[in-house]
Amino acid sequence: KQEVTQIPAALSVPEGENLVLNCSFTDSAIYNLQWFRQDPGKGLTSLLLIQSSQREQTSGRLNASLDKSSGRSTLYIAASQPGDSATYLCAVFRGGADGLTFGKGTHLIIQS
Amino acid sequence: GAVVSQHPSRVICKSGTSVKIECRSLDFQATTMFWYRQFPKQSLMLMATSNEGSKATYEQGVEKDKFLINHASLTLSTLTVTSAHPEDSSFYICSARDREREYSYEQYFGPGTRLTVT
Repeated sequence: KQEVTQIPAALSVPEGENLVLNCSFTDSAIYNLQWFRQDPGKGLTSLLLIQSSQREQTSGRLNASLDKSSGRSTLYIAASQPGDSATYLCAVFRGGADGLTFGKGTHLIIQS
Repeated sequence: GAVVSQHPSRVICKSGTSVKIECRSLDFQATTMFWYRQFPKQSLMLMATSNEGSKATYEQGVEKDKFLINHASLTLSTLTVTSAHPEDSSFYICSARDREREYSYEQYFGPGTRLTVT
């Protein structure tokens, strides 16, 4: 059974810092991996989707990498801003009719 | 594009009553929709996969007679929590796959429904 772990569970950093969120998964047979943002009491906002054949994806200040063979992904946030404060979720997809398997998330606070 | 709505956004009901939650794909058709549940400080857990025109597939441990799923059209799936109890209080989120882009397997998420059972 696929398990997704996110480290750290919580992170608080001053504004302007670059930071890295980590995600690991136990079964490397995935089709893609996705990073989401969730604000308190809200739904999910998709940030980046990486197909299994890709190594990384970039969107603005965000960069996500994928090392499928080792079962790891990182989300890099450059020049963090208070508006980046949220919970960041990592999810993997095996393929076919499956749903996503989520990690518990990293609760990020950017101090202004 | 790829907008998914849910209704209601919040609902409070008494123990023993049933509650229906709607999930709609607004600008695309979805042959496959998913229902997830999220307890406080926990990750989202897949409850069931809803396929248009056929029976839903439930994950292990999810009672199909308690969580009734209907996917009667290409834009609407409903989740009915029957005889709700306080332990069913949770955040329920649906997602949908665009039938025109099935190859991407990307899921588009709704804003979620907060259910509180008193």
